[in-house]
Amino acid sequence: GAVVSQHPSRVICKSGTSVKIECRSLDFQATTMFWYRQFPKKSLMLMATSNEGSKATYEQGVEKDKFLINHASLTLSTLTVTSAHPEDSSFYICSASLLGGGSGELFFGEGSRLTVL
Amino acid sequence: DAKTTQPPSMDCAEGRAANLPCNHSTISGNEYVYWYRQIHSQGPQYIIHGLKNNETNEMASLIITEDRKSSTLILPHATLRDTAVYYCIVRSNSGYSTLTFGKGTMLLVSP
Repeated sequence: GAVVSQHPSRVICKSGTSVKIECRSLDFQATTMFWYRQFPKKSLMLMATSNEGSKATYEQGVEKDKFLINHASLTLSTLTVTSAHPEDSSFYICSASLLGGGSGELFFGEGSRLTVL
Repeated sequence: DAKTTQPPSMDCAEGRAANLPCNHSTISGNEYVYWYRQIHSQGPQYIIHGLKNNETNEMASLIITEDRKSSTLILPHATLRDTAVYYCIVRSNSGYSTLTFGKGTMLLVSP
């Protein structure tokens, strides 16, 4: 199947700093990527939909100024957690679908675990 | 996306078939049934999907009832590495449609 890569896989930062997480589709183009957050022992929660060349669409309750999403190309979307606080510590996962939908399945990255001290 | 109902957990002996049920009684005509699994601290992995016909691939089989209100994922010979949370999701087959995850079924495969 198609490959989606995230970087970094783990990051530890101090409170108040910003952290950028990259999501790349390695062997296909993705006009749409999705960002999820997962707390321990919980299911994945959709944060935002990232559209290439346009502004991201955020889910209710997700602060767009805190979680900056940029989808500058068909193979790269970035999530920046600004002024991170301990409560932002979580597992962040991106997913992407094939351009035009393909067979419809979404492919997920390996996830990025953020720990804010 | 329509909601799904899955048992919170299931056990299976290694080498036996694992049958994971899912109810999706409010599924609409253009929605597919997708199955993903998530091994601890990894991103979800696509398993299989179908519309109304039964489907089989190298990982699993998907059996969808005629009325499409429920389905069963079958892992024919479960291994320890199949221990994971399995998510049943219904979704329209559009590249712009996301997946809404429920709580899934925690499958524990034991020796």
